[in-house]
Amino acid sequence: NAGVTQTPKFRILKIGQSMTLQCAQDMNHNYMYWYRQDPGMGLKLIYYSVGAGITDKGEVPNGYNVSRSTTEDFPLRLELAAPSQTSVYFCASSYRHTDYGYTFGSGTRLTVV
Amino acid sequence: AQSVTQLDSQVPVFEEAPVELRCNYSSSVSVYLFWYVQYPNQGLQLLLKYLSGSTLVKGINGFEAEFNKSQTSFHLRKPSVHISDTAEYFCAVTRLNQGGKLIFGQGTELSVKP
Repeated sequence: NAGVTQTPKFRILKIGQSMTLQCAQDMNHNYMYWYRQDPGMGLKLIYYSVGAGITDKGEVPNGYNVSRSTTEDFPLRLELAAPSQTSVYFCASSYRHTDYGYTFGSGTRLTVV
Repeated sequence: AQSVTQLDSQVPVFEEAPVELRCNYSSSVSVYLFWYVQYPNQGLQLLLKYLSGSTLVKGINGFEAEFNKSQTSFHLRKPSVHISDTAEYFCAVTRLNQGGKLIFGQGTELSVKP
């Protein structure tokens, strides 16, 4: 039972490069979320999805894109990376929104230089 | 709009002492409240949650929290902490029909010293 798997764990990008952060869950959860964590700022919601084919913006979506073609996968795309995107990114999932218990991945630490 | 304020960014405490981590929220409607713990270099784990019912909620690792609607607070407590409780703790809030989106506080770093 892997839970929520994020890859890669660490990445250094140059300004203007692009990359995709991968997130996969094997719990058949409908709801999936991407958060970024910055020191002293808590976690901010970037995008979320309530099911395959359905995504919506969160609090800080600028500079990011997502897709949800399957229940299991919810990749986060960074286009034209900027230093402001240096952060730790967490993917999370939950079975039903009424449960409100997220399962988090272990995170991706991204540095943009 | 909802918001969550964790009143202390850092809380140092000696082992076996009691601890309280404070959380206040703002919302004009009924809310659901959560505490998560993050150990170094790990993701977040759910400690406890309040959805309805008894205002005193017990969680894992001996933690408990009390929902106080009149004071819009959800403080986390533990009567006797261990070194292994050293971690960052996040309070979070959501409400019905929000698609499960959680709003997190800024976090409180609990440091337990021997």
